Amino acid sequence: EPEVTQTPSHQVTQMGQEVILRCVPISNHLYFYWYRQILGQKVEFLVSFYNNEISEKSEIFDDQFSVERPDGSNFTLKIRSTKLEDSAMYFCATRTALAKNIQYFGAGTRLSVL
Amino acid sequence: ELKVEQNPLFLSMQEGKNYTIYCNYSTTSDRLYWYRQDPGKSLESLFVLLSNGAVKQEGRLMASLDTKARLSTLHITAAVHDLSATYFCAVANRDDKIIFGKGTRLHILP
Repeated sequence: EPEVTQTPSHQVTQMGQEVILRCVPISNHLYFYWYRQILGQKVEFLVSFYNNEISEKSEIFDDQFSVERPDGSNFTLKIRSTKLEDSAMYFCATRTALAKNIQYFGAGTRLSVL
Repeated sequence: ELKVEQNPLFLSMQEGKNYTIYCNYSTTSDRLYWYRQDPGKSLESLFVLLSNGAVKQEGRLMASLDTKARLSTLHITAAVHDLSATYFCAVANRDDKIIFGKGTRLHILP
């Protein structure tokens, strides 16, 4: 079964460093999303992306965050200068243009900021 | 602003018992989701409910939606230990943004 692949599975970084989280969507999926989940808390929407543009973003998604699809396959989330409170599980989700109801989630990247 | 409230947030129950998790949401939505999450794992989609009165069942889990009351329920029948997990209700707004509830941590005792 096709799946959304996220790398790395676990990223440890020092505060102030830049990190890039990667997501490979299912091949015919054109809509992309990032969510985060702080340990023990709910899943929070960060950003949606379609046609090389951000469609919507939450208040969490400030200037420290950016997304892009640099090579037509990977979908990345960059955090420019990580803070301790960025430590969380980051989930990528993707969907097709037609199946609006179903987003497929990746296994997540656990980001630990020290 | 779309808000999603789940209750209870924690539920410990005996195997074989029935229970219901409730999900209320604040504004009109055309999609409601139930997800399961095991510790340290990703989100597994259980149900997508699209219309008033929709009812879906999978094994011991049954989800329903009342759009007029802005209420969805996830009913567990004759619980078994394998159903222990965190269950999230989530609602999509018109702009395709999914808002999650805080989750219900379900612990089923043998």
